[in-house]
Amino acid sequence: KQEVTQIPAALSVPEGENLVLNCSFTDSAIYNLQWFRQDPGKGLTSLLLIQSSQREQTSGRLNASLDKSSGRSTLYIAASQPGDSATYLCAVRMETSGSRLTFGEGTQLTVNP
Amino acid sequence: GAGVSQSPSNKVTEKGKDVELRCDPISGHTALYWYRQSLGQGLEFLIYFQGNSAPDKSGLPSDRFSAERTGGSVSTLTIQRTQQEDSAVYLCASSSTLIQGAKNIQYFGAGTRLSVL
Repeated sequence: KQEVTQIPAALSVPEGENLVLNCSFTDSAIYNLQWFRQDPGKGLTSLLLIQSSQREQTSGRLNASLDKSSGRSTLYIAASQPGDSATYLCAVRMETSGSRLTFGEGTQLTVNP
Repeated sequence: GAGVSQSPSNKVTEKGKDVELRCDPISGHTALYWYRQSLGQGLEFLIYFQGNSAPDKSGLPSDRFSAERTGGSVSTLTIQRTQQEDSAVYLCASSSTLIQGAKNIQYFGAGTRLSVL
């Protein structure tokens, strides 16, 4: 059974810092990996999707990397802003389980002005 | 519609009552998913529908949970004889295709927060 772990569970940083969120998964037979953002009382917003054949994806100040063989992904946020405060979720789609996603428990990020 | 719509946004019910949660997916999306997010836990997959195929019900936690999707669009998740451990946020998502090779990004609704007293 696939298990997804995110470290740290919570992170508080001052505005302007660069930061890294970590995601690990136990079964490397993934089809893709996604990073989502969740704001309180709202649904999930997809930030980046990395196919299993890719090493990284970038969008603006966000960069996600994937090391499939070691079961790890990181989300790098450059020059953090208070508006980045949210819960960040990592999710994997397996090669053999259709489109269902397996999620980590998330990292709650607070960026202080 | 512009996005995935879920109703109600909040639902408070008494233990033992039945509840129905509704999801209206993005127009044209053929795949629809239900997940549950409990306090202190990650999102758990419950069920998904793809077109006219038989749904994948493998994530449903008990036979008190059921879901249907009428006309390939709106879906209803029904919880019978609710228990306190059913309290959670129930999230619905939809995507445009399950064709292998497609990115198949799932778009999520804001969820229904269910509280069982």
